[in-house]
Order: sequence, then structure tokens, then C-alpha cells
Amino acid sequence: GAVVSQHPSRVICKSGTSVKIECRSLDFQATTMFWYRQFPKKSLMLMATSNEGSKATYEQGVEKDKFLINHASLTLSTLTVTSAHPEDSSFYICSADSAEAQETQYFGPGTRLLVL
Amino acid sequence: AQTVTQSQPEMSVQEAETVTLSCTYDTSESDYYLFWYKQPPSRQMILVIRQEAYKQQNATENRFSVNFQKAAKSFSLKISDSQLGDAAMYFCASHLIQGAQKLVFGQGTRLTINP
Repeated sequence: GAVVSQHPSRVICKSGTSVKIECRSLDFQATTMFWYRQFPKKSLMLMATSNEGSKATYEQGVEKDKFLINHASLTLSTLTVTSAHPEDSSFYICSADSAEAQETQYFGPGTRLLVL
Repeated sequence: AQTVTQSQPEMSVQEAETVTLSCTYDTSESDYYLFWYKQPPSRQMILVIRQEAYKQQNATENRFSVNFQKAAKSFSLKISDSQLGDAAMYFCASHLIQGAQKLVFGQGTRLTINP
């Protein structure tokens, strides 16, 4: 149980285009979903927290107009990187918690984004 | 503010031996959870072990156990009978029960298993 999927696993796009990454909890309903960014050989950096049907809460320094988060249902959250630039290239990871254990997060496999 | 510190950027151990990864944290709260996550080369984050701060007994999951010292704010991970598949980045993390509902991660420790 507690499986989280992410799609796509890898994406290459041209500078100026937008990219959407999906995060799904497959066998449970997620109370909250989280989006992280990870640079090579570094720890995870929380970007934002989202709850179904409400606006996401962004961490300090994260541009909300650049990284759009939509949490349409209890099993789906999306991250859209708008007008992507090479500096947005990174590894993006989502996670989700459940009503039964809100302190424990289960992670998706991550999405590698390369902006040319 | 919560902080989590892993002072060992890299560790190595011989296969079948035991290794301990260090983690210290700082919080003014009394109720929280502590975690160890593993990130192998696939980069999938995997939950290794979880400890509730109100429990004095150290958590154990098969070959993985923790030494939780609440007064010292220390939370080390011991891996017994190390296996090649244990090679990964290990992240220590904390989560408050009240207040900000988010994980705070340490910098990570890269563990190498020598055959």
C-alpha cells in the first residue's frame, strides 16, 4: 500500500514552454500533497504544500506564478512549470500523506526535467 | 525553527558489517516524529524507519534500528549485516505534530557498501 506515482519520469522541453507533472496516490486518499525540488547530491527542498480544493502554500522564495500547483482531487496533484528556462532543470519529487498517518509522507519516483 | 543536521556527508562499510549514521535535530516542540529515508540510485525515496518522540523504546525494522536520545536530540540509524542493496543516500527528517505540517530534512549521508 501507500504507492505514489509521478508522470512523466523524464521530460525534455524547449525554453519558454510549459511542462506539467502529475502526482497520483494510487491506493489511498491523500490529505496533503507536497512538491520538492532536488539538486544533484543535495537534499530535498520543499517547494509547496497543497490540499485538495484549496490554494497551495508556497515556501519562501518559490515563485507561485512560475510553479503552478493544482490539487484537483484527493488522489491527484499537478505541478506546471510555466515558461521554463534552463535554470528550472532539476529533479522534481512529489509526496503525499494520508488521513490515517499525516506525519508520514510517501514519495513518488520523481521527474527529471531538462530545459534546453 | 526546526533544523536537522547530518554531519557525515559520506560513510562506508564492509558488507555484512554494522554501520551507524548520525543525525541531530533541534526543535522547541515536545511532540514530533523522526524518520530515516533511503534514496538509492533510482532516486526513489523509501521510508526506512519511523520514531514517535513520545515513545522511549527505539524503533526497529529488521536490520535497521535507531538510537533515539530525546534529551540530546540525537537520532542515529544503525544498519546491521550491511548488504550491497543498502548503498544509498540516507536522509534523516523530522515532522512536528503541531504547527507546520511538513518534513524537515537533513543534508544526507551517502553510504557505500564495500564487497
